[in-house]
Amino acid sequence: NAGVMQNPRHLVRRRGQEARLRCSPMKGHSHVYWYRQLPEEGLKFMVYLQKENIIDESGMPKERFSAEFPKEGPSILRIQQVVRGDSAAYFCASSPQQGGSDTEAFFGQGTRLTVV
Amino acid sequence: GQNIDQPTEMTATEGAIVQINCTYQTSGFNGLFWYQQHAGEAPTFLSYNVLDGLEEKGRFSSFLSRSKGYSYLLLKELQMKDSASYLCAVRVLDSNYQLIWGAGTKLIIKP
Repeated sequence: NAGVMQNPRHLVRRRGQEARLRCSPMKGHSHVYWYRQLPEEGLKFMVYLQKENIIDESGMPKERFSAEFPKEGPSILRIQQVVRGDSAAYFCASSPQQGGSDTEAFFGQGTRLTVV
Repeated sequence: GQNIDQPTEMTATEGAIVQINCTYQTSGFNGLFWYQQHAGEAPTFLSYNVLDGLEEKGRFSSFLSRSKGYSYLLLKELQMKDSASYLCAVRVLDSNYQLIWGAGTKLIIKP
């Protein structure tokens, strides 16, 4: 089991460009969470998705940001027309759709986005 | 609504004991998780509680009281490497098994 895979690990974009961040959940996990973390700050929840459904996007800015988790392929966090304030680490976590022990969420290593 | 509260920051001394509290108000309860995050790294799983009481894992213990909506993470014999953020998360009792996350507690260890 390869764990949660995020790519790219580092991404540099010029202001106004688009950023696409990918997250492949662990095998058997149907839930994906995206978080943003600014330097020296805590994780900020952005969006929670299941396959083909956005369950909770209350933490995601209404403009320029979108997320998807298609039936096939990784979850994508898309940031359009990036600005310097979007520079941050973006973490994704996945968890299974079940309760009980050994069902904790696992995090990817994050994507460090730098907007220049 | 769903809400999880943790202190923003705590400071403790190397070799001492520290308790990080987490209170929650959620639509049902199906387990509570603690995670550790070192600066610049991904959070990693520490502990899981679903029944009331104390779970011990070496220097770390986690306690849960479901009736009070309360948990704590207890760290003993603190080491400098324990300087990190500690996240509390609750899985709610719904068909989605959604995890609700606290903002994390930054723990600073001083010599």
